[in-house]
Amino acid sequence: DTEVTQTPKHLVMGMTNKKSLKCEQHMGHRAMYWYKQKAKKPPELMFVYSYEKLSINESVPSRFSPECPNSSLLNLHLHALQPEDSALYLCASSQVRGGRIWKYFGPGTRLTVL
Amino acid sequence: DQQVKQNSPSLSVQEGRISILNCDYTNSMFDYFLWYKKYPAEGPTFLISISSIKDKNEDGRFTVFLNKSAKHLSLHIVPSQPGDSAVYFCAAGTNFGNEKLTFGTGTRLTIIP
Repeated sequence: DTEVTQTPKHLVMGMTNKKSLKCEQHMGHRAMYWYKQKAKKPPELMFVYSYEKLSINESVPSRFSPECPNSSLLNLHLHALQPEDSALYLCASSQVRGGRIWKYFGPGTRLTVL
Repeated sequence: DQQVKQNSPSLSVQEGRISILNCDYTNSMFDYFLWYKKYPAEGPTFLISISSIKDKNEDGRFTVFLNKSAKHLSLHIVPSQPGDSAVYFCAAGTNFGNEKLTFGTGTRLTIIP
């Protein structure tokens, strides 16, 4: 099983709404990530969790709030977003094994902020 | 400052031939590199990785070559198949494992039947 799942697939929200994106993996990976991708651009890192602790926050605005409830789950809580936050939000997980790294992405949540 | 560059935005290759995708980087601290394939509106699909202590890694039709002195890596796909048509991103990271991944801008590969 090399799957990272994300829900929902699509989300439309107003600027005053509160919503959450969810990510799950059962590969035993201890590093999990949130990325944001705009059209025709490469993914941009937002947050890294390592062993359920936030290890990297790439100066992301506080209207994005990550949470790692356990080693298989990663959430991204959204509040008071702006239209420019509309993007594809990608979750990823990784592990190092046998001197090689494996890093898998989920299918993404397409977010539209009205 | 674009630390990972893919200078060819697009590439067309005949089915059955070899596809070679190139990537250059500037940060000598990168110690691992990955290649991803991406279809529109989907997350990247992991293809293959290589650590900086190696110069070649193979997995099926995919081979990645790393030239550290030139700060250059390439992905070879042999033989190319129509299903390989997608955008390919190279990515590089440091502290082999849990750290930030820097992506290139992508190369759109089109396989011509």
